[in-house]
Amino acid sequence: DTEVTQTPKHLVMGMTNKKSLKCEQHMGHRAMYWYKQKAKKPPELMFVYSYEKLSINESVPSRFSPECPNSSLLNLHLHALQPEDSALYLCASSQDPGLAVTQETQYFGPGTRLLVL
Amino acid sequence: GEDVEQSLFLSVREGDSSVINCTYTDSSSTYLYWYKQEPGAGLQLLTYIFSNMDMKQDQRLTVLLNKKDKHLSLRIADTQTGDSAIYFCAEMSPQTGANNLFFGTGTRLTVIP
Repeated sequence: DTEVTQTPKHLVMGMTNKKSLKCEQHMGHRAMYWYKQKAKKPPELMFVYSYEKLSINESVPSRFSPECPNSSLLNLHLHALQPEDSALYLCASSQDPGLAVTQETQYFGPGTRLLVL
Repeated sequence: GEDVEQSLFLSVREGDSSVINCTYTDSSSTYLYWYKQEPGAGLQLLTYIFSNMDMKQDQRLTVLLNKKDKHLSLRIADTQTGDSAIYFCAEMSPQTGANNLFFGTGTRLTVIP
């Protein structure tokens, strides 16, 4: 089973709203990632959690707030977003960061398509 | 740097072979990946190759790696209409604690029936 699930599939929010994106995996992976993908562009890394600790924050604005409540779940809390934040948000996981590279392969979820009005 | 480049578009006829090319710059890359993205969907891992290999075959997919030229290719044999998608190559550069994937620009493959 190499499934990463994300909810919701689609989200429309106003600039004053607060919403959360959720990601879940039950593969026992210890690294989880958030990526942002604009139309016709490759995914860009936002955050990495390694053993439930934030290990990489790629200078993402504070209106995006990640949270990793346990090793299977990853959330992305959204507040006061801008229309330019509209994108596909992808979650990924990998088995065990920092060990054998065979365990670094990232498996992606289907994404949440976000529209900020 | 971690520049990864691909041509943007490729069109092939159904049944022909497709070859998607990728060049990268980071000589410390350990793994190189190919992902497929269908419209409106997430990324599906197709295959990967370790940097000490030069070829990997998996059913209709053949990956060739020229480490000297930092060139990677994905060949799809007997291309089908269901292969129409965007194909991203990605390189992984080792870092402490986690590994970053750097994606190419993506190649949109169109299969003509």
